[in-house]
Amino acid sequence: QLQLQESGPGLVKPSETLSLTCTVSDGSISSGAYYWGWIRQSPGKGLEWIGSVYYSGNTYYNASLKSRVTISVDTSKNQFSLMLSSVTAADTAVYYCARRRSGRNLFDYWGQGTLVTVSS
Amino acid sequence: QSALTQPASVSGSPGQSITISCTGTSSDVGGYNYVSWYQHHPGKAPKLMIYEVSNRPSGVSNRFSGSKSGNTASLTISGLQAEDEADYYCSSYTSGTTPWVFGGGTKLTVL
Repeated sequence: QLQLQESGPGLVKPSETLSLTCTVSDGSISSGAYYWGWIRQSPGKGLEWIGSVYYSGNTYYNASLKSRVTISVDTSKNQFSLMLSSVTAADTAVYYCARRRSGRNLFDYWGQGTLVTVSS
Repeated sequence: QSALTQPASVSGSPGQSITISCTGTSSDVGGYNYVSWYQHHPGKAPKLMIYEVSNRPSGVSNRFSGSKSGNTASLTISGLQAEDEADYYCSSYTSGTTPWVFGGGTKLTVL
């Protein structure tokens, strides 16, 4: 069964760049049938879609975060990554990576999530 | 504040049925049949339970069902079991500035 696992620093200083990687197991990230994305949940708040990447490198971002977000894919490692620049305390959240079927509006596999705290 | 509104908590006894609501607008829930529901046990990966309002992925118990009326979608769990105790989130496609929005989550307690 497909598995997604987030990894990266759990603590980031304000104004710095948050960097996370999602490793995909038991499935190929190069399948053209899926998009690979990031979703976060801030403390006490609901989920927020951050953005997605296709295996070709095409990206789609939440308009409210677009100026600070970069999502990239490394098909050779079966991984995709998130970079969020100029972070503030408001970016403290559990970050999930997730798979979305192309042409469908659902996220069928998720990682367990990783907590990233923005603090000096 | 979340785009979609869910009750913070619901509870029920084993064997009973419960319903969780998810209220949006005509730009999301009411405008598209693209509502999905996710079950989240803390510390584990969220799991897709319902998609496109009322469809169950393979492997999801038929005790879980979804529906929609106007701008409100609902998830019903029948024959409650202890293992159903979890957080539940709804999501919808939207014509807004981001393609998908989520609810704030509902904590289900099985008494």
